[in-house]
Amino acid sequence: EIVLTQSPGTLSLSPGERATLSCRASQSVSSSYLAWYQQKPGQAPRLLIYGASSRATDIPDRFSGSGSGTDFTLTISRLEPEDFAVYFCRQYGSSPRTFGQGTKVEIK
Amino acid sequence: EVQLVESGGGLVKPGGSLRLSCAASGFTFSTYTMNWVRQAPGKGLEWVSSITSTSGDIFYADSVKGRFTISRDNAKNSLYLQMNSLRAEDTAVYYCARAAAGDYWGQGTLVTVSS
Repeated sequence: EIVLTQSPGTLSLSPGERATLSCRASQSVSSSYLAWYQQKPGQAPRLLIYGASSRATDIPDRFSGSGSGTDFTLTISRLEPEDFAVYFCRQYGSSPRTFGQGTKVEIK
Repeated sequence: EVQLVESGGGLVKPGGSLRLSCAASGFTFSTYTMNWVRQAPGKGLEWVSSITSTSGDIFYADSVKGRFTISRDNAKNSLYLQMNSLRAEDTAVYYCARAAAGDYWGQGTLVTVSS
């Protein structure tokens, strides 16, 4: 099983700042089948990034994904008020599919 | 517009059974892998099961293997999760999600396992 470890657990930032979220895998993620999701309280997750670096439909270009192998990063270039949420990474290249434990981006 | 609507959740006693359904619309259901993902109250996301478009490949998390069964009816644009031998730790909101990457999600249905 591929274990995904996200860091930091909580990121305290101000609107307009840059957010850098990390997702490290215990083994190489097949074909960069790594996705990032945003979740707000009481809502379903929303896909932001798939294939490690491809933005999903209607996702603003301030969100970008990078990485390969075992190290992946989600960057939010300038935080907007609506970006304060919890972010999860997930690998879907091998079974069992696994999620990271999440990073909460909170307003400083 | 892609829509996924889960139903079938509720309160069930330990050892009991439930069958969740996910009604899909707005896309060609029969061509997509589908998934079930759950989230215990206040916790993170846990992948439960996936089924490919023709049901040729099915995968389960170890935590549900042997107790849960995923299935689909492409003629009815529906995904199912039969849950047997339910435990307290199965209490969660259950989401269905489209495609391997999970590009669309339903709003979820709450399953509570408690005596």
